[in-house]
Amino acid sequence: DVKVTQSSRYLVKRTGEKVFLECVQDMDHENMFWYRQDPGLGLRLIYFSYDVKMKEKGDIPEGYSVSREKKERFSLILESASTNQTSMYLCASSSAGSGSYEQYFGPGTRLTVT
Amino acid sequence: AQSVTQLDSQVPVFEEAPVELRCNYSSSVSVYLFWYVQYPNQGLQLLLKYLSGSTLVKGINGFEAEFNKSQTSFHLRKPSVHISDTAEYFCAVSEGNAGGTSYGKLTFGQGTILTVHP
Repeated sequence: DVKVTQSSRYLVKRTGEKVFLECVQDMDHENMFWYRQDPGLGLRLIYFSYDVKMKEKGDIPEGYSVSREKKERFSLILESASTNQTSMYLCASSSAGSGSYEQYFGPGTRLTVT
Repeated sequence: AQSVTQLDSQVPVFEEAPVELRCNYSSSVSVYLFWYVQYPNQGLQLLLKYLSGSTLVKGINGFEAEFNKSQTSFHLRKPSVHISDTAEYFCAVSEGNAGGTSYGKLTFGQGTILTVHP
C-alpha cells in the first residue's frame, strides 16, 4: 500500500522560529510536492521537486524553502515563521513514469504560529 | 496558465438524495482532470480521474464525473449519498503531455464542502 508520512500532525511554533516540516514517501516516486491549504482557497503549491536536489517554485514560495537530499524525503523549511504561515501543510508524491499524474497525499501538518 | 473554479463552496443535501458538485476549468492545452476527497483531519484521497477516452468516468464510493470539453467542465455526481460522504471535495487539473515539463503539477479548485443530513 502506498504511503506518504509527515513528521507531525500538529505543530505550534513562535513567531521568528525556524520550522522544519518533513515528508517521507515509500513508493520510489520522483516527484514530490508541498502545498498549503486554507479555507476557501483550496490547495496552493509552495514548492515541488522532480529529482534529488532539484526543486522549483510553485505559486506561493515566498517565506519558504525546501530540501531534497534523498529521493524519499522532501523537507519544507520556514526560515522565520510568521503568523500568516499558520495553515495546514500537505505533502504529496507522484511517479514521473506512470503517466497517470496521480498524486498521493500525506495526512497533513496543522501548523500554528503564535 | 490553468485555473479551476468550483462553483459551490458548500452543498447541503439529505441522505439518499442525488448530488452534483460543479467544476469548471480553463487551460490553453489539453488537460487531465481529477476529483479528490478529504475527510475530516485526513489528507486527500483520489476519487476518480480523466486522462483520455470515455468522457464518463467512474470512481470509488459510487461517484462518477463527466468531462465536457466544449463547456470545459468536469462535474462530479452521485445518485444517492450517504452520511459517510460528508467531506470536502476538490477538483484539480494537470496539463496533459506538456513535453515532460509540467512534472504532474496539479492546480486545485477552492473546494466544496458536502454535508449530508439524516
